Amino acid sequence: DAGVIQSPRHEVTEMGQEVTLRCKPISGHNSLFWYRQTMMRGLELLIYFNNNVPIDDSGMPEDRFSAKMPNASFSTLKIQPSEPRDSAVYFCASSQDRAWGEAFFGQGTRLTVV
Amino acid sequence: GDSVTQMEGPVTLSEEAFLTINCTYTATGYPSLFWYVQYPGEGLQLLLKATKADDKGSNKGFEATYRKETTSFHLEKGSVQVSDSAVYFCALSVREYGNKLVFGAGTILRVKS
Repeated sequence: DAGVIQSPRHEVTEMGQEVTLRCKPISGHNSLFWYRQTMMRGLELLIYFNNNVPIDDSGMPEDRFSAKMPNASFSTLKIQPSEPRDSAVYFCASSQDRAWGEAFFGQGTRLTVV
Repeated sequence: GDSVTQMEGPVTLSEEAFLTINCTYTATGYPSLFWYVQYPGEGLQLLLKATKADDKGSNKGFEATYRKETTSFHLEKGSVQVSDSAVYFCALSVREYGNKLVFGAGTILRVKS
């Protein structure tokens, strides 16, 4: 298996632009997570899907952030409009319910908003 | 709420030294405990886990024991290598609250040859 695939690996955008991050989870995994990593705040859980349904989005910073999972093999995280403080590494991870807590992470998308 | 506290880094050791990274937790339910490792430029990888009190997780020479009485899950390795240089994250998951992980802040480990 290719693992969790994220795209793009790097994104540089101007403030105010829309940014879309993409994730393909491991086939057969039914939970998907979006995390944000910064030096100041560490790893933050943004949103958690189970069987394509958002279960916990309490970590989504504000209305500028939205996430979707239209099917079991694809998810997006969108920021509109983007701001410099959104600069971070965004990770997608997936897992199976029967392997509790064993999450597989993608390589991340490094977002820079200038 | 649930939380994980790790010792601050960076931790700098010479090759073959003994490693301990402290981790304590607070949880409202009965958590499973994990250590994840992040190598430069990569995502996190599961290193080891323990699901109940007194369980010992182990992998690649690393060990951690689930201590319920002290709410701790300290990571140890008897002899570190340069290739162990990475960021180590302690984490917990409480099944009642869904299959999600709560991570500590991470501890940077640097091993010198």
